[in-house]
Amino acid sequence: DAGITQSPRYKITETGRQVTLMCHQTWSHSYMFWYRQDLGHGLRLIYYSAAADITDKGEVPDGYVVSRSKTENFPLTLESATRSQTSVYFCASSMKPGGSYEQYFGPGTRLTVT
Amino acid sequence: EDQVTQSPEALRLQEGESSSLNCSYTVSGLRGLFWYRQDPGKGPEFLFTLYSAGEEKEKERLKATLTKKESFLHITAPKPEDSATYLCAVQSANDYKLSFGAGTTVTVRA
Repeated sequence: DAGITQSPRYKITETGRQVTLMCHQTWSHSYMFWYRQDLGHGLRLIYYSAAADITDKGEVPDGYVVSRSKTENFPLTLESATRSQTSVYFCASSMKPGGSYEQYFGPGTRLTVT
Repeated sequence: EDQVTQSPEALRLQEGESSSLNCSYTVSGLRGLFWYRQDPGKGPEFLFTLYSAGEEKEKERLKATLTKKESFLHITAPKPEDSATYLCAVQSANDYKLSFGAGTTVTVRA
């Protein structure tokens, strides 16, 4: 059971470049989330999705785009990367209503924007 | 807006020295309070969900309790492998997002 995976695990990119972080889950969870984690800020929600083709903004969505054409995938795109987007990014998923709401996290992607 | 405050920020313990971590919260109708463990370089790992005041959950040396305003994570006779950052999060009744606290970093010395 692969669970939830993220790729790449590490990425270095230049300012202004577009970069996409991938997230894949094998549990058929309805809900998926993207967070960033920075020292002094903890985990902050970027975007989330209740189901395929349903997405919504979280606390810090500016500069990011998401899509969810399939239940199992939830890619996060930085359209024009900035140094302030250097961070560790975590994807998470949780069950639909009727099940438990705890979120299960992927291993993270460490992104450096130079 | 949901708010979660964890204290202390850091805790250094000797092996076997029991202690408690605090998570204070404000939320408009609590659906659940969640505890996670995070090791360096890894994603948060789910530990417990607490749903109502008075509820307790245990796992090995960890015990989580819940009141109407706060939750405690008790670490009994900790071992070095309990060293990690412990995160608390709340979910309100009308939402499925989680609001996280900043975490408590626990270091257990042998």
